Amino acid sequence: EAQVTQNPRYLITVTGKKLTVTCSQNMNHEYMSWYRQDPGLGLRQIYYSMNVEVTDKGDVPEGYKVSRKEKRNFPLILESPSPNQTSLYFCASSPTGTGYNEQFFGPGTRLTVL
Amino acid sequence: QKEVEQNSGPLSVPEGAIASLNCTYSDRVSQSFFWYRQYSGKSPELIMSIYSNGDKEDGRFTAQLNKASQYVSLLIRDSQPSDSATYLCAVGGGYSGGGADGLTFGKGTHLIIQP
Repeated sequence: EAQVTQNPRYLITVTGKKLTVTCSQNMNHEYMSWYRQDPGLGLRQIYYSMNVEVTDKGDVPEGYKVSRKEKRNFPLILESPSPNQTSLYFCASSPTGTGYNEQFFGPGTRLTVL
Repeated sequence: QKEVEQNSGPLSVPEGAIASLNCTYSDRVSQSFFWYRQYSGKSPELIMSIYSNGDKEDGRFTAQLNKASQYVSLLIRDSQPSDSATYLCAVGGGYSGGGADGLTFGKGTHLIIQP
């Protein structure tokens, strides 16, 4: 089944404890992206990648890191999480090398930082 | 900064009627337009994409695009209770304002289909 997967789906952690949220797609998509969704603010892009080893900042990149060493994987790293990073996170992918086309979303990761 | 505006709702529509959802966008040279459906606590699901002026129909859904007015709409015919969800308008492309490569999302319209 063609899909985007994320792990973990739910995570409760404490301030300052490094964490990684994994994202993987099995559709051979070029483009991958991370979004966060907050009440009243909607979906906002954190980072994106147009291809392997090519990543760039989205609208809200502060406090996050990403890497794209393989085409299928695009992990999101929070090196020192803070409570304001409590949010619902979505990974998405698109078959083309640009984010202007259809994007398909993973199931989401609900993160709580205490 | 690109902006995508939607009425937050809730928009209440009787079962079997037509639901009409609207979206305006600020970047005049935007190239791609999408409607996503999102159930509470779930991920956005792509239901329609449209790239050129006019109407595009897919089953009970019709997307309408008017680039001159910077306006996108989604019509849902024969609305069903299962259509109750938040509908997100997303806009991509364009050359003004710089910023990230990706889709800019509206905050969504909450649609309620009343049985």
